[in-house]
Amino acid sequence: DIQMTQSPSSVSASVGDRVTITCRASQGISSWLAWYQQKPGKAPKLLIYAASSLQSGVPSRFNGSGSGSDFTLTISSLQPEDFATYYCQQANTFLKLTFGGGTKVEIK
Amino acid sequence: EVQLVESAGGLVQPGRSLRLSCTASGFTFGDYAMSWVRQAPGKGLEWLGFIRRKPYGGTTEYAASVEGRFTISRDDSKRIAYLEMSSLKIEDTAMYYCARVAVRRGSVGLDYWGQGTLVTVSS
Repeated sequence: DIQMTQSPSSVSASVGDRVTITCRASQGISSWLAWYQQKPGKAPKLLIYAASSLQSGVPSRFNGSGSGSDFTLTISSLQPEDFATYYCQQANTFLKLTFGGGTKVEIK
Repeated sequence: EVQLVESAGGLVQPGRSLRLSCTASGFTFGDYAMSWVRQAPGKGLEWLGFIRRKPYGGTTEYAASVEGRFTISRDDSKRIAYLEMSSLKIEDTAMYYCARVAVRRGSVGLDYWGQGTLVTVSS
């Protein structure tokens, strides 16, 4: 199975900061990667699919990039509502899906 | 409006079975694969499996951790996806989510999620 490693596991940041989260796949997955945001007590929310495509309704300050085995989620200017846990997920129509371990974005 | 509603979970003894259902509305259910994901208390997300839509055989894929114990099925006429869990273990205690599978540009994303249902396995 493909393993997904996220870093850092947590990050402290202030409103307005630029935040970058990385996700590495144990083997190449082309651009088959999704990013999710989860707030406490809530279901996850899809932010990015196909590595860099913004899900409808998601603010443009969220940006996904990468291909192969290294991927990045960047929040260009952190807003109060962005404090949450973020997960990457390798996504392929034929293989088993796998989530990364998560990155908690906390208030500094 | 797309909605996914899981049935109530609850307390179940180790070794017993439990079936969860996920009732969909607001979209053509038969046009989408459906997936189940769980989250143990204080832990990350764990993908459990998905069921493809009928044109793709309605076949299933499972995580290794649950293959052979968990079964996903669907009833398109009722707009329901099921997760049948057997031989439940204490470590199966988690919030269970169903999610709609969207395939775009060859990539799979879970674009709508239910609110989740808590399953507690304990004697």
